Amino acid sequence: AQSVTQLDSQVPVFEEAPVELRCNYSSSVSVYLFWYVQYPNQGLQLLLKYLSGSTLVESINGFEAEFNKSQTSFHLRKPSVHISDTAEYFCAVSDNFHNNDMRFGAGTRLTVKP
Amino acid sequence: EAGVTQFPSHSVIEKGQTVTLRCDPISGHDNLYWYRRVMGKEIKFLLHFVKESKQDESGMPNNRFLAERTGGTYSTLKVQPAELEDSGVYFCASSQEKWTGYNGYTFGSGTRLTVV
Repeated sequence: AQSVTQLDSQVPVFEEAPVELRCNYSSSVSVYLFWYVQYPNQGLQLLLKYLSGSTLVESINGFEAEFNKSQTSFHLRKPSVHISDTAEYFCAVSDNFHNNDMRFGAGTRLTVKP
Repeated sequence: EAGVTQFPSHSVIEKGQTVTLRCDPISGHDNLYWYRRVMGKEIKFLLHFVKESKQDESGMPNNRFLAERTGGTYSTLKVQPAELEDSGVYFCASSQEKWTGYNGYTFGSGTRLTVV
């Protein structure tokens, strides 16, 4: 079965600084990868996903993630963060397109300070 | 369209009591999932409904947990009797597709359950 490791439980950064939230996965088969974000008092929202094709995927609010098969990673990056990016971020993996079995990491709490 | 709705948003109960969580999925979504996050740990899969049928309940921790989805619309998750280790945030999600791929899931805001 697949699993996900998010290496940092908390990441504090200053506004306008770059950030990288790390995610590594393990799976014996091809995977589909997701990043979800949970803003305070809200549900999980899909931020971006990798299904196939280009290994670099982007979100509408400036985040990007790159699928690296050799390193089994799907790190999330943003070149310049805003206060409003403060949230908890979850990496998730699914290794069976028909199985509806999505596994999540433990989450990374991103805190952007002024 | 309305999103996935969960209530209550918070529940504090004593050990040994019963609690029922409710989830209203997006209208028309046949697939409904329950997940749980224990404090600081990963979000873990509990079970998956397709319409009113349990497709996969491999993540249900024990027989104190009972999930139902009568009529294939809303779902309830009952914990009876509740134990301290049941504390956490319970998420519900729904999807239209049969697989996780295209759009992932739409999640509700979660129910924070505290057992004291």
